[in-house]
Amino acid sequence: SQTIHQWPATLVQPVGSPLSLECTVEGTSNPNLYWYRQAAGRGLQLLFYSVGIGQISSEVPQNLSASRPQDRQFILSSKKLLLSDSGFYLCAWSVPGANSPLHFGNGTRLTVT
Amino acid sequence: KQEVTQIPAALSVPEGENLVLNCSFTDSAIYNLQWFRQDPGKGLTSLLLIQSSQREQTSGRLNASLDKSSGRSTLYIAASQPGDSATYLCAGISSGSARQLTFGSGTQLTVLP
Repeated sequence: SQTIHQWPATLVQPVGSPLSLECTVEGTSNPNLYWYRQAAGRGLQLLFYSVGIGQISSEVPQNLSASRPQDRQFILSSKKLLLSDSGFYLCAWSVPGANSPLHFGNGTRLTVT
Repeated sequence: KQEVTQIPAALSVPEGENLVLNCSFTDSAIYNLQWFRQDPGKGLTSLLLIQSSQREQTSGRLNASLDKSSGRSTLYIAASQPGDSATYLCAGISSGSARQLTFGSGTQLTVLP
């Protein structure tokens, strides 16, 4: 069966510090991978989307970047965090195709102080 | 652009009651609609996915319906239990690309023992 791992679960970082959140998927090959952000009281916002190694699509301009160095690894990064980067970050995967469900990790709660 | 609305934002019911959660969408050219559950501080758990060619899906005490002509989906929960307390989100894909998944803001359900 497929599983998705996301870490760390919580993170407190000062403004201006770097960020690296990691997500890995097991039990499937060539998944579509996603990074979402869920801000307090707001819906989920798609940040990045990847259909393959090294293929990253950015949905919104921002202070963050994403990379996919391996087929089942997706990394969310920032060189210098802003206060507005605080939020709940969720990694997700799906089998390629519009009729496949989206599966989420447990999320990372990021607080920028 | 697809817009997804969930009303009410919060709902409280006594244990054992049958209930319906509502989701409406603006673009009837929808590929599929997915219902999720989110527990506090956790990721999203996929509950049901309804493809555009289907009218409903069932899993245990859950039944989700899709009416493209009226732009509505409902999630029916039978014999509610306190463990059903969570936020329920619906999300629709209005094109052939899974990256176009649009989420509603969710309904926070509390089932009182």
